[in-house]
Amino acid sequence: GDSVTQMEGPVTLSEEAFLTINCTYTATGYPSLFWYVQYPGEGLQLLLKATKADDKGSNKGFEATYRKETTSFHLEKGSVQVSDSAVYFCALRNNFNKFYFGSGTKLNVKP
Amino acid sequence: EPEVTQTPSHQVTQMGQEVILRCVPISNHLYFYWYRQILGQKVEFLVSFYNNEISEKSEIFDDQFSVERPDGSNFTLKIRSTKLEDSAMYFCASSEEGIGNQPQHFGDGTRLSIL
Repeated sequence: GDSVTQMEGPVTLSEEAFLTINCTYTATGYPSLFWYVQYPGEGLQLLLKATKADDKGSNKGFEATYRKETTSFHLEKGSVQVSDSAVYFCALRNNFNKFYFGSGTKLNVKP
Repeated sequence: EPEVTQTPSHQVTQMGQEVILRCVPISNHLYFYWYRQILGQKVEFLVSFYNNEISEKSEIFDDQFSVERPDGSNFTLKIRSTKLEDSAMYFCASSEEGIGNQPQHFGDGTRLSIL
């Protein structure tokens, strides 16, 4: 069945470091891919999305490119801030409108 | 920007009692979902709802759970006889018509504490 796998955390970085959170997926057809962010004590917020192969989603300095050949959607940011500390979830929506979430990766950014 | 709203933000209930969690999805959305997240764990899918019926449910969504859209705006999750292990954050989400590129929009969640 369809699924999303993302790297386990926590990921601990210093401020201004480069961030990569890996995400790979398994899906039939052509899913849409999403990254959600959950700040402490809050709900899930859509961070960015990509709907077809080679699309790049971007928001707030975060980027992710839909790579069909490697079935990946890795999240990157060139320079993280303390305020980026949160849990990040990779997700897909398949052609049957079902959503699948990864297990989440906690990011801790230290000043 | 339109939001999904959930009430209450925190619900404390005695084990064995019934609880109803309420959600108001975004008004033009047609797909509705409930998820739960046990503290520190992954987000788990419970149920999806479309056209006034359940379209998908997980193994977690057993006979103790039910969902309802009692009017044109609310979407509720009922747990008939709560157990300690039902303690979690419950998130409601909605999305537009079933076009593949539409994301889900989440509420801020209801923290359910079973004593």
